[in-house]
Amino acid sequence: SQQGEEDPQALSIQEGENATMNCSYKTSINNLQWYRQNSGRGLVHLILIRSNEREKHSGRLRVTLDTSKKSSSLLITASRAADTASYFCVAPGTYKYIFGTGTRLKVLA
Amino acid sequence: DAGVIQSPRHEVTEMGQEVTLRCKPISGHNSLFWYRQTMMRGLELLIYFNNNVPIDDSGMPEDRFSAKMPNASFSTLKIQPSEPRDSAVYFCASGRSGTNEKLFFGSGTQLSVL
Repeated sequence: SQQGEEDPQALSIQEGENATMNCSYKTSINNLQWYRQNSGRGLVHLILIRSNEREKHSGRLRVTLDTSKKSSSLLITASRAADTASYFCVAPGTYKYIFGTGTRLKVLA
Repeated sequence: DAGVIQSPRHEVTEMGQEVTLRCKPISGHNSLFWYRQTMMRGLELLIYFNNNVPIDDSGMPEDRFSAKMPNASFSTLKIQPSEPRDSAVYFCASGRSGTNEKLFFGSGTQLSVL
């Protein structure tokens, strides 16, 4: 399965704190992607990390990839109320982008 | 670019009626996906098109659902007849096939079948 599974299912933190969410997958990949979904909206692509990369940064986002453990993590530093959303990972196979159930992040002001 | 455009934004219909959801992918994208999202099942992949051809429709729940892509700039998802359990948010997404690069999602159609 090319599905990514996120952990934890839900996360609640205070504004300014860091948020870490994890993703596990089962098959070999050529990249892994993280998306954000604000309530009632479509998913928005955040960051893509390729299988030969171990870490990638984009603004306040930091993604790591461990292909030996088939896992990835997304770190959001200095969280803001606007980061409240659901976060999904996906490890696309030949063509299938199968999303997991996501991590629901709530950032309290 | 305007992004992926879906219409209508909201649809309320009665059980038994035909429902047609529409999607305009981003110009130049040749892969198109239809997803359904509910609280119970999460985000389900319904069907995938590549170069306007349906490649995988194994996620289509039953024969009441059909999807078409008559050209590179338009796709429809039809439910006939609709049932209350079809109530969900339906998303369309597009991308460039063969690259496994990022997908762009539309804003979705919130479908309520009464």
